[in-house]
Amino acid sequence: NAGVMQNPRHLVRRRGQEARLRCSPMKGHSHVYWYRQLPEEGLKFMVYLQKENIIDESGMPKERFSAEFPKEGPSILRIQQVVRGDSAAYFCASSQGTGGGLDIQYFGAGTRLSVL
Amino acid sequence: SQKIEQNSEALNIQEGKTATLTCNYTNYSPAYLQWYRQDPGRGPVFLLLIRENEKEKRKERLKVTFDTTLKQSLFHITASQPADSATYLCALDKTGNNRKLIWGLGTSLAVNP
Repeated sequence: NAGVMQNPRHLVRRRGQEARLRCSPMKGHSHVYWYRQLPEEGLKFMVYLQKENIIDESGMPKERFSAEFPKEGPSILRIQQVVRGDSAAYFCASSQGTGGGLDIQYFGAGTRLSVL
Repeated sequence: SQKIEQNSEALNIQEGKTATLTCNYTNYSPAYLQWYRQDPGRGPVFLLLIRENEKEKRKERLKVTFDTTLKQSLFHITASQPADSATYLCALDKTGNNRKLIWGLGTSLAVNP
């Protein structure tokens, strides 16, 4: 009965490298959300995806960041040419996608990205 | 601008007492309000959801109230235990479809034995 699985748990990258964060939703969930959490800013919505479809990416920076949720496999949040300001905890959540306000989001344990 | 505020100072209480946490918001008319718990190094865990037309919701030792006139939600933990020590986050859902939650910074609760 696995919950939302994120890997890696910790990721260290040097400036200019690429970071790939993976998220496998809970079984039966077709919707995935990505959030970024900084200590002084709280959780910030980045993007919401269904299989093969980005529904809302209004919280995602226009450059260097991209997300996908392919038909097979996990959702990927990709950060190109990382900078120190990208250091944060990135959380993925999933939901059943039943619609309405009762479509509760379940969170993974997060990936802590550190950019040296 | 839209804003959610939670007690920024940590709350310390004795075991067995009731903890009360506050979530205030401005410039929203949320359809739903949710409370989550987050432990260090972990993701948020859903606790309770309350609709705009509900005044109060209970689950075991937890109680949430929602006052849309005051634009405030209170979160109560009765008979608190050291295991309740965590950060508690409130989140608003403006749209009613739970797609894009807006989050408070959270309040840290410490329950002392």
